[in-house]
Amino acid sequence: ETGVTQTPRHLVMGMTNKKSLKCEQHLGHNAMYWYKQSAKKPLELMFVYNFKEQTENNSVPSRFSPECPNSSHLFLHLHTLQPEDSALYLCASSQDLRLAGAEQFFGPGTRLTVL
Amino acid sequence: DQQVKQNSPSLSVQEGRISILNCDYTNSMFDYFLWYKKYPAEGPTFLISISSIKDKNEDGRFTVFLNKSAKHLSLHIVPSQPGDSAVYFCAATPVQRGGSTLGRLYFGRGTQLTVWP
Repeated sequence: ETGVTQTPRHLVMGMTNKKSLKCEQHLGHNAMYWYKQSAKKPLELMFVYNFKEQTENNSVPSRFSPECPNSSHLFLHLHTLQPEDSALYLCASSQDLRLAGAEQFFGPGTRLTVL
Repeated sequence: DQQVKQNSPSLSVQEGRISILNCDYTNSMFDYFLWYKKYPAEGPTFLISISSIKDKNEDGRFTVFLNKSAKHLSLHIVPSQPGDSAVYFCAATPVQRGGSTLGRLYFGRGTQLTVWP
């Protein structure tokens, strides 16, 4: 595997389900991100982790719970979601938040549908 | 309120001609700007960037121009090729003292570029 991978690519869940999105980066990076892209809206940053520590929570509802066990893996645990949470969820990574330059490498995304 | 705006949702250009994609921003603290390209079913891929200390950055067929006084940047693709057909996102970030961006990229909604033969 190369780059940033995300699983599953598609997910349909009911409002009472609990599911998790997984992201893995094979780039040796230390910063990882979750973004949400809703229909006709720009990408919205949700969470940022640097060296496994959360550095940013962009006022995300608690029904989204991130987990970063190591610099290569990032999870987004989902529970009691709402239909308006249906969106494309993108994971990204970058070398290190402390370094200059802002290039982030994105995974292909998980298309989430909440029924 | 959106801090990065791409007011043209779509652009259609003939192969070989120049494509110009525009982006405006409102936050005067932004000082690093990026363009990403996105094909269907793939994540965005980094294309080119520019720091606010420059007004132009060129990489092959891609050139980004920055007009800080107008809070405007543009991406020029010349010559355009059918493989350039994709959604192009403009992004901006404030750079902290020491050079870190803290990972805070603010994206526009994107412009769908179609290059026809």
